[in-house]
Amino acid sequence: GAVVSQHPSRVICKSGTSVKIECRSLDFQATTMFWYRQFPKKSLMLMATSNEGSKATYEQGVEKDKFLINHASLTLSTLTVTSAHPEDSSFYICSATSTSGSSGANVLTFGAGSRLTVL
Amino acid sequence: AQKVTQAQTEISVVEKEDVTLDCVYETRDTTYYLFWYKQPPSGELVFLIRRNSFDEQNEISGRYSWNFQKSTSSFNFTITASQVVDSAVYFCALSEVEFSGGYNKLIFGAGTRLAVHP
Repeated sequence: GAVVSQHPSRVICKSGTSVKIECRSLDFQATTMFWYRQFPKKSLMLMATSNEGSKATYEQGVEKDKFLINHASLTLSTLTVTSAHPEDSSFYICSATSTSGSSGANVLTFGAGSRLTVL
Repeated sequence: AQKVTQAQTEISVVEKEDVTLDCVYETRDTTYYLFWYKQPPSGELVFLIRRNSFDEQNEISGRYSWNFQKSTSSFNFTITASQVVDSAVYFCALSEVEFSGGYNKLIFGAGTRLAVHP
């Protein structure tokens, strides 16, 4: 089945540094990737939607300059948390779909998540 | 606007009990998809089921069963003869269908934490 690899699974960084998280679709071409954020014991909140070769669409309240998303190829999307602060500590999960056109929903494949801790 | 409500924050049962996790959704779309995901302590989301809005047939998969009631906008999930390995957070989710973009955002419920004790 479809596999999405997310790396790193855990990262600890100092406040003020930038951290990049990668999301790769291993055996399919992902036209669209989604980035979610999950606070402890909370639900998943959609941060942004990225389509290959175009700018990401951010959800209301998500800082575009803070959370840089790049979807340069059909198998890779990256989320960069710039100038990270302790409040950015969270669990970040990506998902990918190969849906194209208006045929309906395919199953979204999720990565295993990346736990970011900013000291 | 789309919304998913999982009113049960935490459920605790003893092994072999049956347990039902409730999910109520709101949407103005006539075409939509509903999902259930399991999130064990490791954090990875495990896909359990997808149901489209035109298919109201209930589904059974082993010890898992789902009851889709469009009239009450509910999509409940039952685990029969629960086991300790079922302990996890379970999320119900609703998918918009973006015809122009051809992709689907998932709106998640708050999740229900299920603890199954030996």
